[in-house]
Amino acid sequence: EVQLLESGGGLVQPGGSLRLSCATSGFTFSSYAMSWVRQAPGKGLEWVSAISGPGGGIYSADSVRGRFTVSRDNSKNTLYLLMDSLRAEDTAIYYCAKGGGSGPFDYWGQGTLVTVSS
Amino acid sequence: EIVLTQSPATLSLSPGERATLSCRASQSVGSYLAWYQQKPGRAPRLLIYDASSRATGIPARFSGSGSGTDFTLTISSLEPEDFALYYCQQRSNWPLTFGGGTKVEIK
Repeated sequence: EVQLLESGGGLVQPGGSLRLSCATSGFTFSSYAMSWVRQAPGKGLEWVSAISGPGGGIYSADSVRGRFTVSRDNSKNTLYLLMDSLRAEDTAIYYCAKGGGSGPFDYWGQGTLVTVSS
Repeated sequence: EIVLTQSPATLSLSPGERATLSCRASQSVGSYLAWYQQKPGRAPRLLIYDASSRATGIPARFSGSGSGTDFTLTISSLEPEDFALYYCQQRSNWPLTFGGGTKVEIK
């Protein structure tokens, strides 16, 4: 059974940093692209960033480029999102999802809430 | 950036009725279009990928069609559990983008 479990969310002040993790199981992690997708309160879905299976290909939305860094550790089957220079508009539930570019988002985690506020 | 426009924003129907949801792309996405269902407080769930392929475990009442710029998600006969939000998403070009969503509500 495929499982994705995010962690690391919380309350952070504007300008602060946070690192999200997504622990996975049930599939060959290194073979698949992985993504982060977020959803602001009461809003729609926004793709944030994706990384290829081996980790060499990285893509990010304009809204986070230069501030957020996606990475992965294939030995730990874990996806990460390092978020710097956080802004109020980054407040959202952050989902990790299997897929992105090379395939649809076929599995999703339960999400972790990031709140940027003073 | 490819913009996906979903219509209508809200669809009010009764159980047993047919639902037809539209997604229009600002430029061709080929067949690289997916549909997701989201219920309150839950993560999205993949329904349809590559325009017309049902994801694992998705009932046959869900079907997708279209290519290029115009796509349709059809729910042939609404079940009570189908009342939810639906999003389309393209993976033809970076950045990956989602439509704004269609809410299917009980009439």
